Amino acid sequence: GAGVSQSPSNKVTEKGKDVELRCDPISGHTALYWYRQSLGQGLEFLIYFQGNSAPDKSGLPSDRFSAERTGGSVSTLTIQRTQQEDSAVYLCASSLAGDRGRGAQHFGDGTRLSIL
Amino acid sequence: SQQGEEDPQALSIQEGENATMNCSYKTSINNLQWYRQNSGRGLVHLILIRSNEREKHSGRLRVTLDTSKKSSSLLITASRAADTASYFCAPVYSGNTPLVFGKGTRLSVIA
Repeated sequence: GAGVSQSPSNKVTEKGKDVELRCDPISGHTALYWYRQSLGQGLEFLIYFQGNSAPDKSGLPSDRFSAERTGGSVSTLTIQRTQQEDSAVYLCASSLAGDRGRGAQHFGDGTRLSIL
Repeated sequence: SQQGEEDPQALSIQEGENATMNCSYKTSINNLQWYRQNSGRGLVHLILIRSNEREKHSGRLRVTLDTSKKSSSLLITASRAADTASYFCAPVYSGNTPLVFGKGTRLSVIA
Protein backbone atom coordinates (compact mmCIF):
# COMPACT_ATOMS: atom_id res chain seq x y z
CA GLY A 1 0.00 0.00 0.00
CA ALA A 2 0.98 3.67 -0.27
CA GLY A 3 3.30 5.06 2.32
CA VAL A 4 3.62 8.61 3.61
CA SER A 5 3.96 11.00 0.71
CA GLN A 6 5.62 14.40 0.93
CA SER A 7 5.79 17.16 -1.65
CA PRO A 8 7.73 18.79 -3.04
CA SER A 9 10.78 16.57 -2.62
CA ASN A 10 13.03 19.58 -3.07
CA LYS A 11 12.36 23.28 -2.67
CA VAL A 12 14.75 26.14 -3.29
CA THR A 13 13.56 29.63 -2.45
CA GLU A 14 14.87 33.04 -1.64
CA LYS A 15 15.19 34.38 1.86
CA GLY A 16 12.04 36.16 2.95
CA LYS A 17 9.63 34.09 0.84
CA ASP A 18 6.92 31.89 2.30
CA VAL A 19 6.92 28.13 1.66
CA GLU A 20 4.34 25.39 2.05
CA LEU A 21 5.26 21.76 2.54
CA ARG A 22 2.70 19.02 2.14
CA CYS A 23 2.29 15.63 3.79
CA ASP A 24 -0.13 12.87 2.84
CA PRO A 25 -0.16 10.33 5.68
CA ILE A 26 -1.01 6.66 5.40
CA SER A 27 -4.76 6.21 5.13
CA GLY A 28 -6.31 5.50 8.50
CA HIS A 29 -3.39 6.83 10.53
CA THR A 30 -4.75 9.20 13.12
CA ALA A 31 -1.46 10.65 14.32
CA LEU A 32 0.78 12.89 12.21
CA TYR A 33 4.12 14.42 13.08
CA TRP A 34 6.50 16.95 11.56
CA TYR A 35 10.24 16.88 12.20
CA ARG A 36 13.18 18.90 10.97
CA GLN A 37 16.59 17.37 10.27
CA SER A 38 19.61 19.54 9.68
CA LEU A 39 22.65 18.11 7.90
CA GLY A 40 24.23 15.32 9.92
CA GLN A 41 21.92 15.90 12.85
CA GLY A 42 19.12 14.04 14.54
CA LEU A 43 15.47 14.84 14.16
CA GLU A 44 13.98 17.87 15.82
CA PHE A 45 10.31 17.51 16.76
CA LEU A 46 8.13 20.33 15.43
CA ILE A 47 4.43 19.53 15.80
CA TYR A 48 2.06 16.63 16.42
CA PHE A 49 -1.57 16.11 15.37
CA GLN A 50 -3.80 13.44 16.88
CA GLY A 51 -7.33 13.10 15.55
CA ASN A 52 -9.49 16.08 16.46
CA SER A 53 -7.41 17.07 19.48
CA ALA A 54 -5.57 20.36 19.62
CA PRO A 55 -2.14 19.90 18.05
CA ASP A 56 1.00 19.89 20.17
CA LYS A 57 2.97 22.83 18.78
CA SER A 58 5.64 22.79 21.46
CA GLY A 59 8.46 22.11 18.99
CA LEU A 60 7.80 24.93 16.55
CA PRO A 61 10.93 27.12 16.64
CA SER A 62 9.23 30.46 16.01
CA ASP A 63 5.90 32.04 15.11
CA ARG A 64 6.99 31.97 11.48
CA PHE A 65 6.18 28.26 11.53
CA SER A 66 2.62 26.95 11.44
CA ALA A 67 0.89 23.77 10.41
CA GLU A 68 -2.60 22.57 9.80
CA ARG A 69 -4.23 19.27 9.13
CA THR A 70 -7.41 19.32 7.11
CA GLY A 71 -10.05 16.65 7.49
CA GLY A 72 -7.80 14.57 9.68
CA SER A 73 -5.67 13.63 6.69
CA VAL A 74 -3.38 15.89 4.65
CA SER A 75 -1.15 18.30 6.54
CA THR A 76 0.60 21.47 5.42
CA LEU A 77 3.60 22.99 7.17
CA THR A 78 4.01 26.69 6.37
CA ILE A 79 7.14 28.71 6.97
CA GLN A 80 6.73 32.46 6.56
CA ARG A 81 9.51 34.93 5.79
CA THR A 82 12.05 32.14 5.44
CA GLN A 83 15.54 32.53 6.84
CA GLN A 84 18.72 30.73 5.85
CA GLU A 85 18.69 28.77 9.10
CA ASP A 86 15.41 27.21 8.00
CA SER A 87 17.36 25.18 5.41
CA ALA A 88 16.92 21.53 6.37
CA VAL A 89 15.04 18.39 5.48
CA TYR A 90 11.47 18.44 6.78
CA LEU A 91 10.16 14.98 7.54
CA CYS A 92 6.58 13.93 8.11
CA ALA A 93 5.52 10.73 9.85
CA SER A 94 2.21 9.10 10.63
CA SER A 95 1.21 6.48 13.12
CA LEU A 96 -1.72 4.26 14.00
CA ALA A 97 -1.04 4.59 17.69
CA GLY A 98 -3.43 6.92 19.47
CA ASP A 99 -0.90 7.50 22.21
CA ARG A 100 2.05 9.30 20.71
CA GLY A 101 5.16 7.26 20.35
CA ARG A 102 3.72 4.05 21.60
CA GLY A 103 3.82 2.51 18.17
CA ALA A 104 5.92 2.63 15.05
CA GLN A 105 6.07 5.83 13.06
CA HIS A 106 6.06 5.68 9.26
CA PHE A 107 8.08 8.38 7.58
CA GLY A 108 7.96 10.07 4.23
CA ASP A 109 11.19 10.80 2.37
CA GLY A 110 11.05 14.46 3.34
CA THR A 111 11.24 17.81 1.64
CA ARG A 112 14.74 19.22 1.27
CA LEU A 113 14.38 22.96 1.75
CA SER A 114 17.16 25.31 0.70
CA ILE A 115 16.97 29.01 1.44
CA LEU A 116 19.25 31.16 -0.69
CA SER B 1 17.42 16.34 26.99
CA GLN B 2 15.00 13.46 26.55
CA GLN B 3 16.66 12.10 23.45
CA GLY B 4 18.57 8.87 23.33
CA GLU B 5 22.27 9.09 22.69
CA GLU B 6 23.75 6.65 20.24
CA ASP B 7 27.27 5.36 20.44
CA PRO B 8 29.49 5.20 18.48
CA GLN B 9 28.79 8.16 16.21
CA ALA B 10 30.27 6.27 13.29
CA LEU B 11 31.15 2.65 12.67
CA SER B 12 32.90 1.06 9.70
CA ILE B 13 33.02 -2.73 9.28
CA GLN B 14 33.61 -5.35 6.63
CA GLU B 15 30.73 -7.20 5.03
CA GLY B 16 29.92 -10.32 7.03
CA GLU B 17 30.99 -8.85 10.36
CA ASN B 18 28.59 -8.01 13.16
CA ALA B 19 27.75 -4.40 14.01
CA THR B 20 26.79 -3.28 17.49
CA MET B 21 25.32 0.11 18.28
CA ASN B 22 24.39 1.39 21.71
CA CYS B 23 21.82 3.81 23.02
CA SER B 24 21.60 5.45 26.43
CA TYR B 25 18.69 7.41 27.82
CA LYS B 26 17.90 9.38 30.94
CA THR B 27 14.62 8.41 32.62
CA SER B 28 12.12 5.58 32.77
CA ILE B 29 10.67 4.54 29.45
CA ASN B 30 7.53 2.90 28.15
CA ASN B 31 9.37 1.41 25.18
CA LEU B 32 12.37 2.07 22.98
CA GLN B 33 12.40 2.03 19.20
CA TRP B 34 15.17 1.68 16.65
CA TYR B 35 15.02 3.21 13.19
CA ARG B 36 17.22 3.13 10.10
CA GLN B 37 17.73 6.00 7.68
CA ASN B 38 19.30 5.52 4.27
CA SER B 39 20.87 8.56 2.68
CA GLY B 40 18.26 10.95 1.32
CA ARG B 41 15.35 8.92 2.65
CA GLY B 42 13.01 8.99 5.61
CA LEU B 43 13.39 6.82 8.69
CA VAL B 44 12.27 3.22 8.65
CA HIS B 45 11.05 1.58 11.83
CA LEU B 46 13.09 -1.53 12.66
CA ILE B 47 12.04 -2.81 16.04
CA LEU B 48 10.24 -1.80 19.24
CA ILE B 49 11.18 -3.24 22.61
CA ARG B 50 8.97 -2.67 25.63
CA SER B 51 10.28 -1.79 29.07
CA ASN B 52 9.39 -5.25 30.42
CA GLU B 53 11.31 -7.02 27.65
CA ARG B 54 15.02 -7.75 27.74
CA GLU B 55 15.70 -8.98 24.24
CA LYS B 56 13.98 -9.02 20.90
CA HIS B 57 14.88 -10.45 17.51
CA SER B 58 13.88 -9.60 13.98
CA GLY B 59 15.75 -11.39 11.21
CA ARG B 60 19.41 -10.39 11.52
CA LEU B 61 18.60 -7.77 14.14
CA ARG B 62 18.87 -8.33 17.87
CA VAL B 63 17.92 -5.62 20.34
CA THR B 64 18.59 -5.77 24.05
CA LEU B 65 17.31 -3.50 26.77
CA ASP B 66 18.78 -2.99 30.24
CA THR B 67 16.46 -0.68 32.15
CA SER B 68 18.73 -0.70 35.21
CA LYS B 69 21.52 0.83 33.12
CA LYS B 70 19.09 2.82 30.96
CA SER B 71 20.66 1.46 27.82
CA SER B 72 19.84 -0.53 24.73
CA SER B 73 21.91 -2.12 22.02
CA LEU B 74 21.22 -3.02 18.42
CA LEU B 75 23.18 -5.88 16.93
CA ILE B 76 23.19 -6.52 13.19
CA THR B 77 24.64 -9.92 12.40
CA ALA B 78 26.33 -10.91 9.15
CA SER B 79 26.22 -7.35 7.87
CA ARG B 80 25.72 -6.52 4.21
CA ALA B 81 26.62 -3.48 2.15
CA ALA B 82 22.89 -2.68 2.06
CA ASP B 83 22.96 -2.20 5.83
CA THR B 84 24.95 0.99 5.30
CA ALA B 85 22.77 3.70 6.85
CA SER B 86 22.30 5.81 9.95
CA TYR B 87 20.64 4.12 12.90
CA PHE B 88 18.62 6.02 15.49
CA CYS B 89 17.17 5.02 18.80
CA ALA B 90 14.06 6.71 20.18
CA PRO B 91 13.20 6.20 23.84
CA VAL B 92 9.48 6.55 24.43
CA TYR B 93 8.70 8.03 27.81
CA SER B 94 5.50 7.75 29.76
CA GLY B 95 3.09 10.59 29.40
CA ASN B 96 2.46 12.81 26.48
CA THR B 97 5.97 13.66 25.36
CA PRO B 98 7.16 13.75 21.78
CA LEU B 99 9.25 10.97 20.29
CA VAL B 100 12.81 12.28 20.28
CA PHE B 101 15.75 11.11 18.23
CA GLY B 102 19.46 11.44 18.80
CA LYS B 103 22.08 12.09 16.14
CA GLY B 104 22.36 8.44 15.25
CA THR B 105 25.15 6.03 14.45
CA ARG B 106 26.44 6.14 10.88
CA LEU B 107 27.20 2.57 9.84
CA SER B 108 29.33 1.85 6.79
CA VAL B 109 29.56 -1.75 5.62
CA ILE B 110 32.38 -2.25 3.17
CA ALA B 111 32.01 -4.97 0.58
